[in-house]
Amino acid sequence: GDSVTQMEGPVTLSEEAFLTINCTYTATGYPSLFWYVQYPGEGLQLLLKATKADDKGSNKGFEATYRKETTSFHLEKGSVQVSDSAVYFCALSPLNTDKLIFGTGTRLQVFP
Amino acid sequence: DVKVTQSSRYLVKRTGEKVFLECVQDMDHENMFWYRQDPGLGLRLIYFSYDVKMKEKGDIPEGYSVSREKKERFSLILESASTNQTSMYLCASSPAQVNTEAFFGQGTRLTVV
Repeated sequence: GDSVTQMEGPVTLSEEAFLTINCTYTATGYPSLFWYVQYPGEGLQLLLKATKADDKGSNKGFEATYRKETTSFHLEKGSVQVSDSAVYFCALSPLNTDKLIFGTGTRLQVFP
Repeated sequence: DVKVTQSSRYLVKRTGEKVFLECVQDMDHENMFWYRQDPGLGLRLIYFSYDVKMKEKGDIPEGYSVSREKKERFSLILESASTNQTSMYLCASSPAQVNTEAFFGQGTRLTVV
């Protein structure tokens, strides 16, 4: 069945470092892909999304590109801040469904 | 702003109790979801509802049931709570269209003792 695999955390970085969180997926056809973020004590909120191959989603300095050939949707940010410390979830919505399938989440810790 | 509200942030219940988790959304969304979040396992779908009185089992429905009598409200019921149901429970809603995001509540951390 459809699934999402993302790198285990925690990822620990100093402020202003470059961030990459890897995400790969298995799915039939062309699913939609999402990154959600969960700040401490809160629910999930959408960070960015891409709905077709080669689309780039971006928000708050974060970017991810939908790569069909490598079935990947890696999250990147050029310069992280302490306020980016959170858990990041990669997710997919299978073709023609409203459901979301999530990865296991990656905790990011940014230190000053 | 879309708002998904879960009735409790924290709950402590005893083994064997019947537990109700309530979720209300204010955006007239057709779809509502209950997820369970556990460390190392991510979010797992318990139940999904795509319309009033309609429901569909997710990946881990055992030990749970749901009720959707009104469009805005989706309840998760633990018929007889057990310690392995100690977890964070997240409710979400979305409109009935593909490629759209889901909106999440703040979560209910349930502890069963």
